[in-house]
Amino acid sequence: DSGVTQTPKHLITATGQRVTLRCSPRSGDLSVYWYQQSLDQGLQFLIHYYNGEERAKGNILERFSAQQFPDLHSELNLSSLELGDSALYFCASSPPGTGVHEQYFGPGTRLTVT
Amino acid sequence: QKEVEQDPGPLSVPEGAIVSLNCTYSNSAFQYFMWYRQYSRKGPELLMYTYSSGNKEDGRFTAQVDKSSKYISLFIRDSQPSDSATYLCAMRVDSNSGYALNFGKGTSLLVTP
Repeated sequence: DSGVTQTPKHLITATGQRVTLRCSPRSGDLSVYWYQQSLDQGLQFLIHYYNGEERAKGNILERFSAQQFPDLHSELNLSSLELGDSALYFCASSPPGTGVHEQYFGPGTRLTVT
Repeated sequence: QKEVEQDPGPLSVPEGAIVSLNCTYSNSAFQYFMWYRQYSRKGPELLMYTYSSGNKEDGRFTAQVDKSSKYISLFIRDSQPSDSATYLCAMRVDSNSGYALNFGKGTSLLVTP
């Protein structure tokens, strides 16, 4: 158990809908990262927040948005969902002073869009 | 062409063998190189992190970076059945607006007793 929690574990929804994925980082970690993993694209970096501020943006679609709240938990919002958005969504966190070279991943949220 | 290429395998080896996992990349600006291990139905776990060319050793694992050839490797000595997992390489390049982080698609490894 990495200490990073993600809810829900599974989510099934229809095309065109909007969902919110939630992530709580490890105690003391200020950074939160979001990733998408699908069979055809592999693992893709979406976005990184540090203490509430966006630090880096990867291959995140305009239909997707994220934020990190004052209590450091983060939410990833996915809207106008398409079949191709079906994937595993991982959140990771890292301690202050480190970065992607010391990340702890959560168990993921499996999103199925029908 | 993807920026990071990795043979998906599967790679099957007997217990005790030396395993070699590799990635090639096209962006010569990549500065940091990582290897992750991912067990089935779990999140990735960072194994090794290197900066610049050369070797880095951690227990049974050795990461090697050859920037001139744009090639990185992960060697696993005395492989164990518990090493059976998917191994992903990742590379990072910093920029004024943050950084880019690219992953290979992963190599599936099976170590048989």
